[in-house]
Amino acid sequence: EIVLTQSPGTLSLSPGDRATLSCRASQSVSNNYLAWHQQKPGQAPRLLINGASRRATGIPDRFSGSGSGTDFTLTISRLEPEDFAVYYCQQYGSSPWTFGQGTKVEVK
Amino acid sequence: QVQLVESGGGLVKPGGSLRLSCAGSGFTFSDYYMSWVRQAPGKGLEWLAYITGGSDKIYYADSVKGRFTISRDNAKNSLYLQMNSLRAEDTAVYYCTRDNYGSDHWGQGTLVTVSS
Repeated sequence: EIVLTQSPGTLSLSPGDRATLSCRASQSVSNNYLAWHQQKPGQAPRLLINGASRRATGIPDRFSGSGSGTDFTLTISRLEPEDFAVYYCQQYGSSPWTFGQGTKVEVK
Repeated sequence: QVQLVESGGGLVKPGGSLRLSCAGSGFTFSDYYMSWVRQAPGKGLEWLAYITGGSDKIYYADSVKGRFTISRDNAKNSLYLQMNSLRAEDTAVYYCTRDNYGSDHWGQGTLVTVSS
């Protein structure tokens, strides 16, 4: 099973700041099949990025994904008020699929 | 538009059973893998199982293997999760997801509470 470790656990930033979230895999993610999801309180998650770097439909271009192999990054170029949420990475390249434990982006 | 609606959650005693359903609409249901994912109160996401469009391949997380069964009925555009031998630690919101290079659409979730 591929274990995904996200860091930091919590990121305290201000609107307009740049956010950099990390997701490290215990072994290489096949075909870079790595997704990022955003979850706000009381809501279901929603897909932001798949294939490590491809934005899902309707996702603003301030969200970008990068990385390959075992190291992946989600960057939010300028935080908007609606971006404060919890972010999860997910690998779907090897069964069982797995999620990271999440990074909370909170208002400083 | 793609819509996923879960149902069947509720309160069940330890050792009991429950069957969750997920109705899909707005897409060709049989073309997609589907999964179940859960989230315990205040915790992160846990992937549980997936099933291919033709039900020819199924995979489970170790935490539910042997107790939970995923299935689908493409004629009814529906996904199911049969949960047996439920434990307190199975208490969570259960989401169904459509899978298209990752979980690209999520239902709103249904709450399962296992308690005596």
